Amino acid sequence: DAGITQSPRYKITETGRQVTLMCHQTWSHSYMFWYRQDLGHGLRLIYYSAAADITDKGEVPDGYVVSRSKTENFPLTLESATRSQTSVYFCASSAEGYEQYFGPGTRLTVT
Amino acid sequence: AQTVTQSQPEMSVQEAETVTLSCTYDTSESNYYLFWYKQPPSRQMILVIRQEAYKQQNATENRFSVNFQKAAKSFSLKISDSQLGDTAMYFCASPIGSQGNLIFGKGTKLSVKP
Repeated sequence: DAGITQSPRYKITETGRQVTLMCHQTWSHSYMFWYRQDLGHGLRLIYYSAAADITDKGEVPDGYVVSRSKTENFPLTLESATRSQTSVYFCASSAEGYEQYFGPGTRLTVT
Repeated sequence: AQTVTQSQPEMSVQEAETVTLSCTYDTSESNYYLFWYKQPPSRQMILVIRQEAYKQQNATENRFSVNFQKAAKSFSLKISDSQLGDTAMYFCASPIGSQGNLIFGKGTKLSVKP
């Protein structure tokens, strides 16, 4: 299907485990982004990527790792999950800095 | 630090009436776009409208329009003929840096009442 997809949609994991959230877009957009959304904080940027093999930190990168070996994929890994990383995670993509299009989100709970 | 401020955490409006959501921003970019996004209970982030800063004419998309005051760095969203389906969180976003990043306001929760 065309668009931007995220998997899984829901995930429960334990403290200390590694978790990878997947993001895939079919538009060949150059830019891709990862946000987390928490009550009272709105959307905060974790990492972004301007092209394959180019990534950079956003506002809240600690505890997260990203990679972008292919233009269409932008996985986000929590190397050792903590309870403070319980959140809703959104992936987005855009073409050359224009409007961003969002995936459906992944609700992650760390117990 | 660049900021986006939405001063109304919650608003309500009667069906068929008009409501205006406020947003002020602070960007150092000279040529930029501004955006309003809608997040209904389904959680999906949906682009509502965008405004190009170099255009003086306010953007309009069906029942949605903006009042863009560049000098005041104000970017409000007007929803006309409100419908029950407009019930959602609304986020204003402005650019930060030159990498296509956006900074989002904390949102306004809009309830449309029958």
